Amino acid sequence: NAGVMQNPRHLVRRRGQEARLRCSPMKGHSHVYWYRQLPEEGLKFMVYLQKENIIDESGMPKERFSAEFPKEGPSILRIQQVVRGDSAAYFCASSQIVGGTKNIQYFGAGTRLSVL
Amino acid sequence: AQKVTQAQTEISVVEKEDVTLDCVYETRDTTYYLFWYKQPPSGELVFLIRRNSFDEQNEISGRYSWNFQKSTSSFNFTITASQVVDSAVYFCALRSGTYKYIFGTGTRLKVLA
Repeated sequence: NAGVMQNPRHLVRRRGQEARLRCSPMKGHSHVYWYRQLPEEGLKFMVYLQKENIIDESGMPKERFSAEFPKEGPSILRIQQVVRGDSAAYFCASSQIVGGTKNIQYFGAGTRLSVL
Repeated sequence: AQKVTQAQTEISVVEKEDVTLDCVYETRDTTYYLFWYKQPPSGELVFLIRRNSFDEQNEISGRYSWNFQKSTSSFNFTITASQVVDSAVYFCALRSGTYKYIFGTGTRLKVLA
């Protein structure tokens, strides 16, 4: 009963490089969410995806950030030309359904991105 | 506006003490859900409990208990007879739409042996 799997756990990038964060949802879950946690802060919603569709990207910066959840394979959060302010923990969550009383999001262990 | 406030940044207790973590929320919606998650030093978020706005019955699970009071917009979490393994950051979260969670800033609990 594998949970939400994120990799890598830690990622170090130099300014200007690209960061690719991967998330495999729990088995049977088709809804994926990405959150960002800045130091000493709570998690902030970034984007919600279903297979091959971005449903809500209202929390994602308009530039340099993109997300996808292809038909096959994990969801990817991509950050181009990283800057020091992108240093944070990025969490992925998945749920079996959306809305209603049974929507519980289960979180992965996060990817800690450090930009040098 | 929707907001979750965890005023306690850090709490330290000695093992076997009881401890209560406070959570105050703001929402104008009549239907909403409240959650508690635990983030141990390993970093993952572990789901603890969900409570919907129509159910004010308090819940107990082993050493954990939750007190939901709509009148004060609070959803507090009590750990009885705390243990060192309870040391973690605890997050309270609110969902009042279909999927977007709003998290508090977390309370770091340190249980000393």
